[in-house]
Amino acid sequence: GAVVSQHPSWVICKSGTSVKIECRSLDFQATTMFWYRQFPKQSLMLMATSNEGSKATYEQGVEKDKFLINHASLTLSTLTVTSAHPEDSSFYICRGEGQDFSPLHFGNGTRLTVT
Amino acid sequence: ELKVEQNPLFLSMQEGKNYTIYCNYSTTSDRLYWYRQDPGKSLESLFVLLSNGAVKQEGRLMASLDTKARLSTLHITAAVHDLSATYFCAVSGTSGTYKYIFGTGTRLKVLA
Repeated sequence: GAVVSQHPSWVICKSGTSVKIECRSLDFQATTMFWYRQFPKQSLMLMATSNEGSKATYEQGVEKDKFLINHASLTLSTLTVTSAHPEDSSFYICRGEGQDFSPLHFGNGTRLTVT
Repeated sequence: ELKVEQNPLFLSMQEGKNYTIYCNYSTTSDRLYWYRQDPGKSLESLFVLLSNGAVKQEGRLMASLDTKARLSTLHITAAVHDLSATYFCAVSGTSGTYKYIFGTGTRLKVLA
């Protein structure tokens, strides 16, 4: 089946630094990429939606200048957490959507810990 | 604004027992999904329900959808320890791309 490869699986960074998370669609073209954040023992909260070649649409309460999303190609989208703080520590998951609108295209997630 | 609620939030049950998880959503939707999540892992797709009255079964799990009541159920039959996980329903809107809004999640623990 179609696969979304998400990297890194986990990352530890110091407060104030930036971290980039990549999601690649390996055998389909992701025209849309959804980015979710999940705090421990909570549900997945949609952060933003990006379409290839367009600016991302952010959900209410999500700082677009802090969470930079790039979706420059149909196979790659990135989320950069800028000036990370401990409260940004979370599990970040992407979902790619292609022409088949399959529910399967979730990345494996990135565990971010900011110290 | 689309809201999705699940109950119960936590469920501890004995092996061999049956139970149902409920998923309610607030506005019209044409697709409902059920996912399983193990600790520290991403989501595993279980079911996609596309129409009113849809019922799908896989092993000990059966999902159904009532779009008029805006309700989906995930029924567990004769639970086994391996079913211990967190279960999420997700609903997508009806305009454009399928933006999934996830339910609150149900943490299931099956006691051996």
